[in-house]
Amino acid sequence: KNQVEQSPQSLIILEGKNCTLQCNYTVSPFSNLRWYKQDTGRGPVSLTIMTFSENTKSNGRYTATLDADTKQSSLHITASQLSDSASYICVVSRGGGSQGNLIFGKGTKLSVKP
Amino acid sequence: GAGVSQSPSNKVTEKGKDVELRCDPISGHTALYWYRQRLGQGLEFLIYFQGNSAPDKSGLPSDRFSAERTGESVSTLTIQRTQQEDSAVYLCASSSIVTSGFTDTQYFGPGTRLTVL
Repeated sequence: KNQVEQSPQSLIILEGKNCTLQCNYTVSPFSNLRWYKQDTGRGPVSLTIMTFSENTKSNGRYTATLDADTKQSSLHITASQLSDSASYICVVSRGGGSQGNLIFGKGTKLSVKP
Repeated sequence: GAGVSQSPSNKVTEKGKDVELRCDPISGHTALYWYRQRLGQGLEFLIYFQGNSAPDKSGLPSDRFSAERTGESVSTLTIQRTQQEDSAVYLCASSSIVTSGFTDTQYFGPGTRLTVL
């Protein structure tokens, strides 16, 4: 079954600290993996997209890693800010020609406290 | 505007009524997606349009759901005979021409919150 599992479900950290969010997937065939940030009441915003051949990609204070062998990805946030409070969603795209085959995780809700 | 817009932002309807949700994609974006997000759940893919190709309808949960898009413009998602389980946020996203490797960046609208009483 094509699934994307994220952990933890929720996380509270202090401003300035680092954190790492995890994503495990069982999607096949694999095309790419995306991380999105979704603020409450808003649509998701793309952070990174990684294909099979990429194992790390950065976007400012966000660094995503991908291990296609173990089917795991992580999103590392450095020097967290209050504005990082949001849900972070891992999405895996299936290959096979259909662009509609995006499998979404349920997200990790991150709260950054002052 | 520069982003994806959706209307209405909120819709409350009675069970059994039909509803129509609208999505205005970013100008020039050939791909358009509809998703559903139930409370506390991840996004569920509903339907995908790419240019003039036949849409990918594989995510539509029942024949009560349908969507249309004319060319590369506005799309409407129609839900007939709404049920309480249709209550969710319906999100639309658009992206530009897909490059090889399928790494198109999707830009999401703010969503329409549908409540079926």
